[in-house]
Amino acid sequence: DGGITQSPKYLFRKEGQNVTLSCEQNLNHDAMYWYRQDPGQGLRLIYYSQIVNDFQKGDIAEGYSVSREKKESFPLTVTSAQKNPTAFYLCASSLLTGGPTNEKLFFGSGTQLSVL
Amino acid sequence: SQQGEEDPQALSIQEGENATMNCSYKTSINNLQWYRQNSGRGLVHLILIRSNEREKHSGRLRVTLDTSKKSSSLLITASRAADTASYFCATGPYNQGGKLIFGQGTELSVKP
Repeated sequence: DGGITQSPKYLFRKEGQNVTLSCEQNLNHDAMYWYRQDPGQGLRLIYYSQIVNDFQKGDIAEGYSVSREKKESFPLTVTSAQKNPTAFYLCASSLLTGGPTNEKLFFGSGTQLSVL
Repeated sequence: SQQGEEDPQALSIQEGENATMNCSYKTSINNLQWYRQNSGRGLVHLILIRSNEREKHSGRLRVTLDTSKKSSSLLITASRAADTASYFCATGPYNQGGKLIFGQGTELSVKP
């Protein structure tokens, strides 16, 4: 089946620890995105990438890092510098045929990150 | 900062009734999209309306766009309990380098 796979579904972080969230897509999409969602809130953009080996900061990039070594994969690392990491993290992808904002996003099922 | 603002924040209706959700935004846009999110899940794309369109239909969904008022509405007709979810508008402003910006959502509850 085509789609976006996020793992793990639940993740716990200890104080001072870096954790990495996985996002893989087999839709052959050029663009990939990471969003953070806090309870009862909308989505805020962390990072996005439109091409392999290139990525751009979103609105809340501080305390996060990403890589895009393969078209299919866009992992997100939540570093110890992120002091309030508890949130629901969503990965998405899209084509870029009509321009970055003219294509619909396909979302993964999310990772719930909590602090121990 | 958030581009889209949904109204109301929460809406509770009976099955069979229509549900209307509104979205306002601040800057010029290329298009506006609506998404649905079931609790604890990812978002699912519902409909995209371009800045030169005024109305669009998809099944029981009707979306309108008024660029002069910088607002959009999503109407779900003959609602069902399965429509219970959060609904988000997302806009693609011209000057944001391709980023899609989401509103805070309307939480819809449809009671059987």
